[in-house]
Amino acid sequence: KAGVTQTPRYLIKTRGQQVTLSCSPISGHRSVSWYQQTPGQGLQFLFEYFSETQRNKGNFPGRFSGRQFSNSRSEMNVSTLELGDSALYLCASSFVPGRAYEQYFGPGTRLTVT
Amino acid sequence: DQQVKQNSPSLSVQEGRISILNCDYTNSMFDYFLWYKKYPAEGPTFLISISSIKDKNEDGRFTVFLNKSAKHLSLHIVPSQPGDSAVYFCAASGGAGGTSYGKLTFGQGTILTVHP
Repeated sequence: KAGVTQTPRYLIKTRGQQVTLSCSPISGHRSVSWYQQTPGQGLQFLFEYFSETQRNKGNFPGRFSGRQFSNSRSEMNVSTLELGDSALYLCASSFVPGRAYEQYFGPGTRLTVT
Repeated sequence: DQQVKQNSPSLSVQEGRISILNCDYTNSMFDYFLWYKKYPAEGPTFLISISSIKDKNEDGRFTVFLNKSAKHLSLHIVPSQPGDSAVYFCAASGGAGGTSYGKLTFGQGTILTVHP
């Protein structure tokens, strides 16, 4: 069974631009979560989606947003990019929500903001 | 506020010996703990977990110990192998409210290097 896929794998953007990252969960998984990994802050939870609804949100500014589609695929958007947004963005899926301990992670999207 | 802490940024071990990775947490509401292994350019891979009702869980070469009173957990790898070289993250789940189980709080990670 195919794992969690994330596109694109690498992205370079300029400060002030916006970016959209995509995540396709494992087939049958209906919950998707997003995490940001930076050298300084480590892995931090961004948000969790289930049935096209955001169930949980981390401590990130409103420039970070996401959504989930009816096929469980998810996108996250970062507007007005800042240098500090350079990070590895990880998507994780699980069969049902509220079970972070059953999440499977994708390979991530490496975003570089210049 | 770092609720999950891994105070050792790196650990170097000889092949065949034991690797012990440590993790401390501050939120007493956490009740499920996990260890992940991560290689560069890949997402974290689940290794082993433990519920707060247990103090030990074992899976092959990997054992996780939980000391709730000390708010401390550790991962033991015996025997260590060069292929175990990776970044290890501990994570915690749970807390106030049902939706809290959908969120993992991670430590900063420990780079384990196992020398042949």
